[in-house]
Amino acid sequence: RKEVEQDPGPFNVPEGATVAFNCTYSNSASQSFFWYRQDCRKEPKLLMSVYSSGNEDGRFTAQLNRASQYISLLIRDSKLSDSATYLCVVNIDGSLASGSRLTFGEGTQLTVNP
Amino acid sequence: ETGVTQTPRHLVMGMTNKKSLKCEQHLGHNAMYWYKQSAKKPLELMFVYSLEERVENNSVPSRFSPECPNSSHLFLHLHTLQPEDSALYLCASSQDDPRSTDTQYFGPGTRLTVL
Repeated sequence: RKEVEQDPGPFNVPEGATVAFNCTYSNSASQSFFWYRQDCRKEPKLLMSVYSSGNEDGRFTAQLNRASQYISLLIRDSKLSDSATYLCVVNIDGSLASGSRLTFGEGTQLTVNP
Repeated sequence: ETGVTQTPRHLVMGMTNKKSLKCEQHLGHNAMYWYKQSAKKPLELMFVYSLEERVENNSVPSRFSPECPNSSHLFLHLHTLQPEDSALYLCASSQDDPRSTDTQYFGPGTRLTVL
């Protein structure tokens, strides 16, 4: 079983649509969770951290369900500029000592069409 | 953004060549990382350095040799690579302070092609 598993995608949605990405992780000891965004041929960039209480940043909402080991990202009113690959990222080790060990999902590609 | 820089951005090399990738971070971070990203595969962690000391090597072949002379610089020395080593090599850094988050910031990557 993969340590971090995401929706395979790709997702093609019209502008203004709401789209949700799902992610599951296998290690119940995981402590930190993130969504990164990677544009074509560019480096990954942090989109948002994910907290147990859920967090929202403008049109983006992230949720974490520790019991189900499930993370989600919701994008409302999608824009053309949201087209990218979204990476679910988990700190499997759970330790902040001696560097953090992030494990990345394969990513879900999103294309927002005019 | 110039927080983490990498050179060169593109590299084509033969299997008998020796080359080095360079990474520099300007964020005052204490931990640095090398990742490999192959097509249609998730990022794979290769090496972790914390305070210039290597703390993890994820079973990477010896033809990849990292070097961290100080907390701002990280190198990846390459020799006798194989065509399957062609990939995007990403450098990242993080604060590595238990009081802070472990967010990693990535450089733009070096796209490596091995002929």
